Amino acid sequence: AQSVTQLGSHVSVSEGALVLLRCNYSSSVPPYLFWYVQYPNQGLQLLLKYTSAATLVKGINGFEAEFKKSETSFHLTKPSAHMSDAAEYFCAVSDAGNNRKLIWGLGTSLAVNP
Amino acid sequence: DAGVIQSPRHEVTEMGQEVTLRCKPISGHDYLFWYRQTMMRGLELLIYFNNNVPIDDSGMPEDRFSAKMPNASFSTLKIQPSEPRDSAVYFCASRAAGGGTEAFFGQGTRLTVV
Repeated sequence: AQSVTQLGSHVSVSEGALVLLRCNYSSSVPPYLFWYVQYPNQGLQLLLKYTSAATLVKGINGFEAEFKKSETSFHLTKPSAHMSDAAEYFCAVSDAGNNRKLIWGLGTSLAVNP
Repeated sequence: DAGVIQSPRHEVTEMGQEVTLRCKPISGHDYLFWYRQTMMRGLELLIYFNNNVPIDDSGMPEDRFSAKMPNASFSTLKIQPSEPRDSAVYFCASRAAGGGTEAFFGQGTRLTVV
C-alpha cells in the first residue's frame, strides 16, 4: 500500500533563504505525486505534481520538486523564501488502485522569519 | 468554472443538533471527497464517491455521520446528532478521472459545536 512521510512537522527559515520540505513515499507501482499548500483559513491548493514526465517539476510561486526514484523522494524546494510562503504544505501520492484516492502526508508548517 | 463550492463557510450549532454541509463539485469531475481537518488528527478522508456512488466510507467516524450524492453536481455531509468533538474544518474536493489528475478543494466549512 502507498504511504507518504513528511519529515519535520515544522520548518523555520529566514526570508531569502532556501526552502526545503521533505517528502518520502512508498509505492509498489510508479507513483503520481503532488504538493499542496494551505494558507490560513483556506482550502488546499495545488503547487505542483509529478506524473512520470520530467523528474524536475516546476510549480507555482517559484517552487519546484524533484522526483528521485532511487531515494523514493519528492522534496519541495524554493531558492529564496518570501514572507508570503508561510503556510502548511502537504505531500500526497495517488493510490495506484482503481479507487484513485490521494494518500496524504501529515503536513509541514513553514514559518518564514524576517 | 467557479471551482468547488462549499456552504456554509462557518457553522455554529449546539450539541445534539443536526448539521448539514453542502458541496458542489467542479462540473465533469468523477470523484468527490469529503475530508475533515483538525489540529490533533490532521487531514482525514471521511468518504469518497465515484460517479455519485459511495466507494469507501471507512473514514466516517460514527453512524452519526452520513453522506449523500444525489446527482453529479451536489453532495451533502450530515451529522446527527452533533457533538463538540465534531468541531473541525470540513473540506470537499473533486477530481477528474485519471491517476495523474489533481484534486481541487473547496474553501471548507468551519464547524463549531458548542
